[in-house]
Amino acid sequence: EAAVTQSPRSKVAVTGGKVTLSCHQTNNHDYMYWYRQDTGHGLRLIHYSYVADSTEKGDIPDGYKASRPSQENFSLILELASLSQTAVYFCASSERDSNQAPLFGEGTRLSVL
Amino acid sequence: GDSVIQMQGQVTLSENDFLFINCTYSTTGYPTLFWYVQYSGEGPQLLLQVTTANNKGSSRGFEATYDKGTTSFHLQKTSVQEIDSAVYYCAMRDYGNEKITFGAGTKLTIKP
Repeated sequence: EAAVTQSPRSKVAVTGGKVTLSCHQTNNHDYMYWYRQDTGHGLRLIHYSYVADSTEKGDIPDGYKASRPSQENFSLILELASLSQTAVYFCASSERDSNQAPLFGEGTRLSVL
Repeated sequence: GDSVIQMQGQVTLSENDFLFINCTYSTTGYPTLFWYVQYSGEGPQLLLQVTTANNKGSSRGFEATYDKGTTSFHLQKTSVQEIDSAVYYCAMRDYGNEKITFGAGTKLTIKP
């Protein structure tokens, strides 16, 4: 069964600390995405990747890095976490075909204190 | 650039009411359009999608028609139930584009 798994499911981090959110997909999808969810803003794209060892900036990349070491894995890295990065983060994967809908993980709730 | 507009941030209805959630999009290309539903504590999941202009998508009693003339993809349901309470997102993916653009979401609350 197609799946996107995120870890951890929730995390509390301190301001200025480093945070890594992980995503693993078993769908053999080429594309992977990181979205941020905030009330009133919906889902906004942070970074995405269409092939291993390559990442692209989305619409709100500032303060975030991404890493795609393999087709299955895609990480989001906050080198210096800030209060404004408190949000729910979703990973998604998709086939190359632009008619295909992305499949989302369950989300990671990040609180930066 | 590409954009998706959902003006209704919150909608509150009673059971058996008619649902209409407005969605308009802006792009120079030929997008596939989606509606996603997100239940509390879960990730968004695909509700329906339409690839071709003037076609209608439907699922679980929800319908949306891809209207290229008015660049709209409004979501409708004749008779909502309490289990339909969720956040609904309109989204689009342009042809040949890796990026998927989402609207701001509409929180639907159904009173029993």
